[in-house]
Amino acid sequence: DAGVTQSPTHLIKTRGQQVTLRCSPKSGHDTVSWYQQALGQGPQFIFQYYEEEERQRGNFPDRFSGHQFPNYSSELNVNALLLGDSALYLCASIIAGGPYEQYFGPGTRLTVT
Amino acid sequence: AQSVTQLDSQVPVFEEAPVELRCNYSSSVSVYLFWYVQYPNQGLQLLLKYLSGSTLVKGINGFEAEFNKSQTSFHLRKPSVHISDTAEYFCAVSERRINAGKSTFGDGTTLTVKP
Repeated sequence: DAGVTQSPTHLIKTRGQQVTLRCSPKSGHDTVSWYQQALGQGPQFIFQYYEEEERQRGNFPDRFSGHQFPNYSSELNVNALLLGDSALYLCASIIAGGPYEQYFGPGTRLTVT
Repeated sequence: AQSVTQLDSQVPVFEEAPVELRCNYSSSVSVYLFWYVQYPNQGLQLLLKYLSGSTLVKGINGFEAEFNKSQTSFHLRKPSVHISDTAEYFCAVSERRINAGKSTFGDGTTLTVKP
């Protein structure tokens, strides 16, 4: 049973560029959440997708956008990259309605130079 | 809105000693409570969760936690730690709702187990 997978593992971008990160949820899961984890901090919620729509959003600017596909996989897009966007981006999946246990992927390490 | 405070940023302990990692939370609504572990350059792994029922929750790797509603705490304990328990530990809460995937995390506690 494959868990949550993310690609790429590492990414280096330049300020002002755009980036797309990808996530495949755990088999059977239909809801995907994205988190940003800066160095030395806990993960911060970016947004959540369910039934191909953004359902909840954290305190992130609209430079951060996403998409969910019919197969439940998801993308996170970040436009106009800033140095402060350098972080580990984590994807987590869950089954809507329970049993309320998030499974996390290994993350994508984004470095903005 | 919810907030989570992990009271110790670093906890050094000797191998085979007991350990407690402290977590307090604040929320205006009912929440689910979680502890996760993160090893270097990896994602988060769920240690245990409190959804309802018994306030003492047992998890993987010999960890347990106790939910105290009056003190809004969810402290993590292990009676005897191993070198392999060295990692970052995160306490998190999620609002009780159908799509409960939005979690608020603390800033983490670094547990270092020394021989």
